Amino acid sequence: QLQVEESGPGLVKPPETLSLSCTVSGDSITTSGYYWGWVRQPPGKGLEWIGSVYHSGSTYYNASFKSRVSISVDTSKSQFYMNLKSVTATDTAVYYCARLLADLRAFDIWGRGTMVTVSS
Amino acid sequence: DIQMTQSPSTLSASVGDRVTITCRASQSISSWLAWYQQRPGKAPKLLIYKASSLQSGVPSRFSGSGSGTEFTLTISSLQPDDFATYFCHHYTSYFGAFGQGTKVEVK
Repeated sequence: QLQVEESGPGLVKPPETLSLSCTVSGDSITTSGYYWGWVRQPPGKGLEWIGSVYHSGSTYYNASFKSRVSISVDTSKSQFYMNLKSVTATDTAVYYCARLLADLRAFDIWGRGTMVTVSS
Repeated sequence: DIQMTQSPSTLSASVGDRVTITCRASQSISSWLAWYQQRPGKAPKLLIYKASSLQSGVPSRFSGSGSGTEFTLTISSLQPDDFATYFCHHYTSYFGAFGQGTKVEVK
């Protein structure tokens, strides 16, 4: 059974960079048709897609984040990563990593999420 | 960018009720729409993909319909576990957007 799990700091100071990792277990991160994504949810608010990565390294980003975000993958470690630069208090959120199946165009496996607070 | 709009934002219902949530896309998205359920403090759970396909393990009281710009999620007989927030979601390889969510609460 595939699982994904987020890890990273719970507190980040503005305007530093938020860095998160997601570890994939139970299946190969390089399986064809699996994309890997990041979604966040500010407290009491809705879901926001941040971006996705394929095992080839191809990346896809929400334009709302402009050039602040970068997502990468390390297939040897079965991990993918997200860096969000110049954070502010509005970046405070629960950050989820998830698997997206290309055939379904839906996120079918989610991590538990990690709460990140941006505060000085 | 495509905008996804859900209605209503909040829905009050009782156990046994038939519940319908609507999601509209700002332009045609064919059948590329998914629905998720999120309970408080938990990660979202995929219910429906491709507008009407039931994800494995999801009870058959959940169903989805629609294509183009208008979609619905129906719960045929609301159960206690179903009081939660529901999100619609459209994704292509380069773009993703969620609806703002519909909270189903106890009437």
